Amino acid sequence: AQKVTQAQTEISVVEKEDVTLDCVYETRDTTYYLFWYKQPPSGELVFLIRRNSFDEQNEISGRYSWNFQKSTSSFNFTITASQVVDSAVYFCALSGINDYKLSFGAGTTVTVRA
Amino acid sequence: DAGVTQSPTHLIKTRGQQVTLRCSPKSGHDTVSWYQQALGQGPQFIFQYYEEEERQRGNFPDRFSGHQFPNYSSELNVNALLLGDSALYLCASSLSGRLDYEQYFGPGTRLTVT
Repeated sequence: AQKVTQAQTEISVVEKEDVTLDCVYETRDTTYYLFWYKQPPSGELVFLIRRNSFDEQNEISGRYSWNFQKSTSSFNFTITASQVVDSAVYFCALSGINDYKLSFGAGTTVTVRA
Repeated sequence: DAGVTQSPTHLIKTRGQQVTLRCSPKSGHDTVSWYQQALGQGPQFIFQYYEEEERQRGNFPDRFSGHQFPNYSSELNVNALLLGDSALYLCASSLSGRLDYEQYFGPGTRLTVT
């Protein structure tokens, strides 16, 4: 069974602050994918990143960065210099390498205040 | 290039009724997955259709069934609706269902069961 835990239910920050979202996962698969999705109020899930379990290199994309640590089964996501448009629900998800489904966490609601 | 489209946007049904939700995948995609997202929770995988067959199924009762047409569009049918079926139903399309290819999500159908 696969499980994703996002312990933070809600995070509220003031614009330009950094915000880090935690994600801890459990899986018996030796190879797997990890994902982050953003869900704005419109409801559509927007893909942000996918990482393979055999690639632990951290990644930066603009104001977004991801810290993957296999030793602690964590895949954390940081938004640097947050903006009001970053307000959304963020989901971490997991899939086995030969699986066709995503297992999502419960999500973290991020509110960025002007 | 149209993305994933879903219809209807909103739907209100009464307990015991049946409902059909529709999804058209992104151009060039041949696989459709369905997810149920209850309020305040992460999406839960219902099933995936590929080559007009159900390829993988999540932990949902037989009241949930689906179909994929030769043009790759898909329907989700729910029989004998329960109050607990109230949720946002998301459709995702991809190429061959593989998660090393990006999945694109539609805006969802909001189902309310009264």
